[in-house]
Amino acid sequence: GIQVEQSPPDLILQEGANSTLRCNFSDSVNNLQWFHQNPWGQLINLFYIPSGTKQNGRLSATTVATERYSLLYISSSQTTDSGVYFCAVEGIEGTALIFGKGTTLSVSS
Amino acid sequence: SQTIHQWPATLVQPVGSPLSLECTVEGTSNPNLYWYRQAAGRGLQLLFYSVGIGQISSEVPQNLSASRPQDRQFILSSKKLLLSDSGFYLCAWSVGTSGRALDEQFFGPGTRLTVL
Repeated sequence: GIQVEQSPPDLILQEGANSTLRCNFSDSVNNLQWFHQNPWGQLINLFYIPSGTKQNGRLSATTVATERYSLLYISSSQTTDSGVYFCAVEGIEGTALIFGKGTTLSVSS
Repeated sequence: SQTIHQWPATLVQPVGSPLSLECTVEGTSNPNLYWYRQAAGRGLQLLFYSVGIGQISSEVPQNLSASRPQDRQFILSSKKLLLSDSGFYLCAWSVGTSGRALDEQFFGPGTRLTVL
């Protein structure tokens, strides 16, 4: 099946710093989503981005489907950005999302 | 707008006891429904998905089963819990498009299950 690798596994930032999270996938995809899991476990949808670039406030994402990777950019990080960021993909012939292992982000003030 | 509910929020059960977790979706019809499990410190793993009433597909053979008695209701069950069933269980929905996850998935708040 399709493989999803996220990097880095852990990231520690000072408030105000920028960061880039990466998601590599092993095959063509129909669906790619970025999620933020908050301390209570809730998965919050950040982007639905099988291709192209999207921006939402301080966050933006780019997926280059032909090169099988996606990037999540966080600018001017805040302590509330802390948590685990997951990338999940759905392959051409699949039926559900395959998740990476996540990037754990810690932002300190 | 659509909302997804799960209950209970937390559950502590002894080994060998039965389990029933419920998920309901409001504000949409004929959704695809999914059950995922997240073990401590790990990513999410798909357990079951459903494209319609009574239609259940299992991704991983295990001690659990799922049912969809109504269009917007998805239930996760077990007859006898094992220690390894502990984890965080998340229900998700997406627009029903021929049973494939082509559309954005939205997750419920989850149920944290501890089996002792």
